[in-house]
Amino acid sequence: EAGVTQSPTHLIKTRGQQATLRCSPISGHTSVYWYQQALGLGLQFLLWYDEGEERNRGNFPPRFSGRQFPNYSSELNVNALELEDSALYLCASSLGGYHGELFFGEGSRLTVL
Amino acid sequence: GIQVEQSPPDLILQEGANSTLRCNFSDSVNNLQWFHQNPWGQLINLFYIPSGTKQNGRLSATTVATERYSLLYISSSQTTDSGVYFCAVERYLSGGSNYKLTFGKGTLLTVNP
Repeated sequence: EAGVTQSPTHLIKTRGQQATLRCSPISGHTSVYWYQQALGLGLQFLLWYDEGEERNRGNFPPRFSGRQFPNYSSELNVNALELEDSALYLCASSLGGYHGELFFGEGSRLTVL
Repeated sequence: GIQVEQSPPDLILQEGANSTLRCNFSDSVNNLQWFHQNPWGQLINLFYIPSGTKQNGRLSATTVATERYSLLYISSSQTTDSGVYFCAVERYLSGGSNYKLTFGKGTLLTVNP
């Protein structure tokens, strides 16, 4: 069974550009979560989608946005990139709702120059 | 929000040694997971353990929910055990949607040959 898959693995952008990251959950999982891991800042919760709706959002500005598609895959968009957006972006999935174990993908490393 | 503290922050071992990593949390939780982050950044699930004790090979974990802590035991450590170990907890409110898995800062384990 395939795990959580993320693309691209690496992405290099310049300040002011937009970045789009994609995530496919484990088959049967309806919840998708996004986390940011910036150097020295640990894992910070970004967004939670379940059944196509945004259920919770971390303390990030509105230029971080996303969506979940009918097939439960998700994309994270970061607009007006800033240098401090350089980080590893991790996607996770779970069976949905409030419960259950999270499984993470390999991450997308975004570098903003 | 809930606070998660992991100790020690760093640990250096010789191959074959045993170790105990600790995770303290500030409130009752519904979910607790231990992860190992490999050198490429992926978070590998070790245990989903909101309470009780589990074992998987050389690793075992115990969560004492009433006392708000969890322990991860690594026995007969190997160089491949090196990496960062994260504890993450969730506390959700009945009827609410305020889900957030909160991570500790991790323990950096180095196992030398």
